[in-house]
Amino acid sequence: EDQVTQSPEALRLQEGESSSLNCSYTVSGLRGLFWYRQDPGKGPEFLFTLYSAGEEKEKERLKATLTKKESFLHITAPKPEDSATYLCAVKGGYQKVTFGTGTKLQVIP
Amino acid sequence: ETGVTQSPTHLIKTRGQQVTLRCSSQSGHNTVSWYQQALGQGPQFIFQYYREEENGRGNFPPRFSGLQFPNYSSELNVNALELDDSALYLCASSLAGTDTYEQYFGPGTRLTVT
Repeated sequence: EDQVTQSPEALRLQEGESSSLNCSYTVSGLRGLFWYRQDPGKGPEFLFTLYSAGEEKEKERLKATLTKKESFLHITAPKPEDSATYLCAVKGGYQKVTFGTGTKLQVIP
Repeated sequence: ETGVTQSPTHLIKTRGQQVTLRCSSQSGHNTVSWYQQALGQGPQFIFQYYREEENGRGNFPPRFSGLQFPNYSSELNVNALELDDSALYLCASSLAGTDTYEQYFGPGTRLTVT
């Protein structure tokens, strides 16, 4: 069965303090690894899809990387508006997409 | 481009009742997936609909059922509601038949079962 584990569960950063979120996964036949941002009470907002080991994608202060066993979401010089829960998910050969429990990020001014 | 919409926003039901949640997919998308998200947890896959048929199902009992209509909108029906069904129900749309599997989520329906 596909599994996704995210760490840390919660992360508190000062504004401008860069850090990384981890997503470890096991999946049969990876079709895609996804990162989403979710604000309280709202639906997840799509950020990135990564398809193969070695792939990297960037968007503003966020950069996602992928290896055969894990993905990292690097946050450079975060701002308070980056505060949210970041979700990682994988899709294998089946239609199901499996999500982790997320990392709750708080950026303090 | 119209995003994914869901209705209602909030709903309160009593244990044993039935509920129907609705979702309109993003324009150009032909596949709809439903997820249940309990507080503090990640979304759990319920099922997916493509071409008006169920196209994959997670570990949810048969009292969770769905429909997809010719315009690609969808319904989630839950019978015999239980207290543990209280959650945020998310709908996500995507385009099948491409090499990407990106899903775009709606704002969710918050269901409370008392």
